[in-house]
Amino acid sequence: DAGITQSPRHKVTETGTPVTLRCHQTENHRYMYWYRQDPGHGLRLIHYSYGVKDTDKGEVSDGYSVSRSKTEDFLLTLESATSSQTSVYFCAILKGLAGGLGTDTQYFGPGTRLTVL
Amino acid sequence: TQLLEQSPQFLSIQEGENLTVYCNSSSVFSSLQWYRQEPGEGPVLLVTVVTGGEVKKLKRLTFQFGDARKDSSLHITAAQPGDTGLYLCAGGSSGTYKYIFGTGTRLKVLA
Repeated sequence: DAGITQSPRHKVTETGTPVTLRCHQTENHRYMYWYRQDPGHGLRLIHYSYGVKDTDKGEVSDGYSVSRSKTEDFLLTLESATSSQTSVYFCAILKGLAGGLGTDTQYFGPGTRLTVL
Repeated sequence: TQLLEQSPQFLSIQEGENLTVYCNSSSVFSSLQWYRQEPGEGPVLLVTVVTGGEVKKLKRLTFQFGDARKDSSLHITAAQPGDTGLYLCAGGSSGTYKYIFGTGTRLKVLA
């Protein structure tokens, strides 16, 4: 257990409304990630963070923004939700950086199932 | 854009059979990870390989990293119903800590 929680676990919203998903970790890891998972696409990186206020885009960042004002929380915001953003969203943290190449391991949260009607 | 293609996409086999899942890319990766994911949960790391040609074994699972570090395979011997799940490969690039995930292979092992 890497001490990762996601909230909410399920959400149904309407097109055009803003939505914020929260990822919380208890172990002060530097790297945090947001992925979305859709059938046939595996996991796709939305945004990631390498420290407080340090974030970068992933491969599917359009329509999403993130914030990290403290180490333990990484927020994902859909400014105006669309039906194409219906998905399962996973947060992850990275452990093992100090051990060198091959020792880095991502630990994933339980996921948030978001439905945009 | 880096892509990782997995094959097959779906696999349904009888208990006791052997199987191989492939993960292929045109890009070179510094590390290749394999995860298993069960319904309603996040992926869990099985193994990481970092050296071209490397082979790692985890009980009945054998993982291999291609010599050119562009592809990998996962071989399961004598599959069991407990092996059922979604298998994902992920490629890492040195220094960036960004990971590209494959498209996934959904395995079902029938008793």
